[in-house]
Formats: sequence, C-alpha cells, structure tokens
Amino acid sequence: KQEVTQIPAALSVPEGENLVLNCSFTDSAIYNLQWFRQDPGKGLTSLLLIQSSQREQTSGRLNASLDKSSGRSTLYIAASQPGDSATYLCAVEPRSGAGSYQLTFGKGTKLSVIP
Amino acid sequence: KAGVTQTPRYLIKTRGQQVTLSCSPISGHRSVSWYQQTPGQGLQFLFEYFSETQRNKGNFPGRFSGRQFSNSRSEMNVSTLELGDSALYLCASSFGSSGTDTQYFGPGTRLTVL
Repeated sequence: KQEVTQIPAALSVPEGENLVLNCSFTDSAIYNLQWFRQDPGKGLTSLLLIQSSQREQTSGRLNASLDKSSGRSTLYIAASQPGDSATYLCAVEPRSGAGSYQLTFGKGTKLSVIP
Repeated sequence: KAGVTQTPRYLIKTRGQQVTLSCSPISGHRSVSWYQQTPGQGLQFLFEYFSETQRNKGNFPGRFSGRQFSNSRSEMNVSTLELGDSALYLCASSFGSSGTDTQYFGPGTRLTVL
C-alpha cells in the first residue's frame, strides 16, 4: 500500500528566506507526483505536476524535484513571502490496477512566513 | 474558464440522515474524483468516475456512494450519517488520463453531523 510522508508537519520562516519542503513515498511505481497548496478552509490549488519520467518542474519561484528511485520529492520556494503561508500537500498517482485514477496524499506541511 | 464548483458549500445534518453533495467539473473534463478530508486522517480517496463509470473506489463503507451524469456532473451520497462523517468533502476534475493529468479541486463542501 502506497504511503506518503511529509516532514516537517509545520515550518515557520522569516520573509525572504528560501526553503525546502520534503515528501517521501514508499512505492516507486507512480505515474506522477503533484504538489498542492491549501489555504485554511479552502480547496486545493495545484502548483506543479511532475511525471514519472521527469526530474523536476519549475513555476515562478517554485521548483519541484522528483527522485523516483529513492521515493523522494522536494518543493523549493525561493524568496518566501507572507502570501506563501498555507499548507502544502504532495500526492502521488500510483501506477497499479488498484491504485490508478486516484491520488494518495501526505498529511501536509503547514508553512508560516513571518513578515 | 470556470473552475470546479461544489454545492452546497456548508451542510449541517443530524445522525441517521442522508445527504447528497454535487460537483460540476471544468468544462471538457470527463473525470471526477471525490475525497474526504479530516484533521486526523487527512485526504482520503472515495471514488472516481469517468464517462458515467466508476473506475476506482477507496476503502469506505457502502453508505458512501456516487454517480456521474452524461454531462460529467457528479453527485455523492452518504446515507445513515454518523458523527465521524463530519469532514470537508472535495471533488476534483481532470481529462481522465493517468499520468499526465493535473487534478483541479473545487472549494469543498463542509459537512457537519450533529
């Protein structure tokens, strides 16, 4: 059974700092890995999707990497801003008959950027 | 283009009642997935529909059911509500191809069971 872990559960940084969020998964048989952000009481906003054949994706100040063999992904946020404060979730789409067409999520990292 | 919409946004029900939640996907998307989010368990997959067919189902009791209509809109139903069903229910839509599709989530329906 695929399990996704995100460490740390919470992170507080001063504005302007670069930071890295970590995600690990137990089964490397995945189609893709996605990073989302969730603001309190709201739905999820997709940030980046990395297909299993890719190593990284970039969007603005965000860069996500994927090392499928070691079961790890990182989300790098450059020059953090107070507006980046949210919970960041990673999710994998398992490559298996029973696991297809669904996402398995980590519990998230709650990020606070202090002005 | 319009995003994923969910109705209602908030619901309060009592134990034993049943509830129906609705999700309208992004235009052109044929896949709709449902997730339950609770503080303790996080996000858990309920089921996924594509072209009116359920392709995958999570590990939830039979009280949780869903369906998809020909216009790709989807509903989920929970019968005989329990206190533990209180959660944020999220739906997501995509084109429906494994591996390449980004999932777009709606704002969710907050269900409170008293």
